Amino acid sequence: GAVVSQHPSRVICKSGTSVKIECRSLDFQATTMFWYRQFPKQSLMLMATSNEGSKATYEQGVEKDKFLINHASLTLSTLTVTSAHPEDSSFYICSATLDTDTQYFGPGTRLTVL
Amino acid sequence: QQQVKQSPQSLIVQKGGISIINCAYENTAFDYFPWYQQFPGKGPALLIAIRPDVSEKKEGRFTISFNKSAKQFSLHIMDSQPGDSATYFCAASIEGSNYKLTFGKGTLLTVNP
Repeated sequence: GAVVSQHPSRVICKSGTSVKIECRSLDFQATTMFWYRQFPKQSLMLMATSNEGSKATYEQGVEKDKFLINHASLTLSTLTVTSAHPEDSSFYICSATLDTDTQYFGPGTRLTVL
Repeated sequence: QQQVKQSPQSLIVQKGGISIINCAYENTAFDYFPWYQQFPGKGPALLIAIRPDVSEKKEGRFTISFNKSAKQFSLHIMDSQPGDSATYFCAASIEGSNYKLTFGKGTLLTVNP
């Protein structure tokens, strides 16, 4: 149980385009989902916390207009990177939790912006 | 301010040996301490977790030791295997904080055959 999926696993896009990443909890309803960014050989950096049906809470320094997060249902959250630039290239990982401390992570999405 | 300090940054162990990774925290409000294992190109997977009311928790070859007074906790991997080679992250969270995790910087473990 407690499986979280992400789609796509890899995406390459041109600079200036927008990219949407989906995060789904497959076998449980996630009241809270998190989005992280991870650079090579570094730790996970929390970008935002999203609760179903409400606006996401962004961490300090994360541009909410650039990284749009929608948590429309208890099993789906999306992260849209708007007007992507090469510096947005990174590994994006989501996690989900059901009113507990335990976070279950997705497999990650590798974004490359050319 | 780094609230969870993890060491060492990298660790090389021979097959069958014991791998030990340490973490120290500053915020005494932390009350949940998980360890995650991450393979290259994959998301982190929960290994084992502990709360402050116990000093040790064991699951198979993995053991967490917790020292509340010293504000430290460690992961011990017994009989380390090449398949254990991965990056390990400790983390901490506060109940009621919307379950936000504060991660350590990670330890790259290499187990030589």
